[in-house]
Amino acid sequence: SYELTQPPSVSVSPGQTARITCSGDGLPKQYAHWYQQKPGQAPLLVIYKDSERPSGIPERFSGSSSGTTVTLTISGVQAEDEADYFCQSTDFGGTYPYVFGTGTKVTVL
Amino acid sequence: QVQLVQSGAEVKQPGASVKVSCKASGYTFTTYSMRWVRQAPGQRLEWMGWINTDNGNTKYSQKFQGRVTITRDTFASTVYMELSSLRSEDTAIYYCARDSSGLYGDAFDIWGQGTMVTVSS
Repeated sequence: SYELTQPPSVSVSPGQTARITCSGDGLPKQYAHWYQQKPGQAPLLVIYKDSERPSGIPERFSGSSSGTTVTLTISGVQAEDEADYFCQSTDFGGTYPYVFGTGTKVTVL
Repeated sequence: QVQLVQSGAEVKQPGASVKVSCKASGYTFTTYSMRWVRQAPGQRLEWMGWINTDNGNTKYSQKFQGRVTITRDTFASTVYMELSSLRSEDTAIYYCARDSSGLYGDAFDIWGQGTMVTVSS
């Protein structure tokens, strides 16, 4: 099995771009998904299959993949984007079929 | 709208059991499997198991095998997760989350709000 590693925190000014990385040895072979979680709320899927955006998710959220790293990009960050973000992928041959990142706190300055 | 509503917070003594419910609404219950994950304080999310809501088949994480039981009531559109022989390390927020069944790959597309379970004497 493998682990997914994210930076603990990212700080960004309103209107700027936030980039959150997620690294793991299994990522070249498996898709990654991204979730937003605000305090006391259910997690919300914001990007699936590395770069696809569910309906209703603002266009400022985008995703990309390169080798063992996937990146969630929030362009033109707004105050409402302040939240925890975590990545998730699969490892069907490992101890757990679903693996999660350590989570990144995005702070809007 | 599509949503999952979980039961309220629980405080249990070590050795006891807890049963958390997850009521689905806004979609055909038996079309999507349901997964359970938990997040202990300061830890990443951890998958516990899932249930096929149509036929009731289950699969559990080896870590919880023998202690966790996931069931469903199709008439009530509700999934239950019971964890027994609780210990302090089981203190966590427990989430149910819907398997998107390929709609979004293998992502968890809808989540419950979470249920805080505290194990303390």
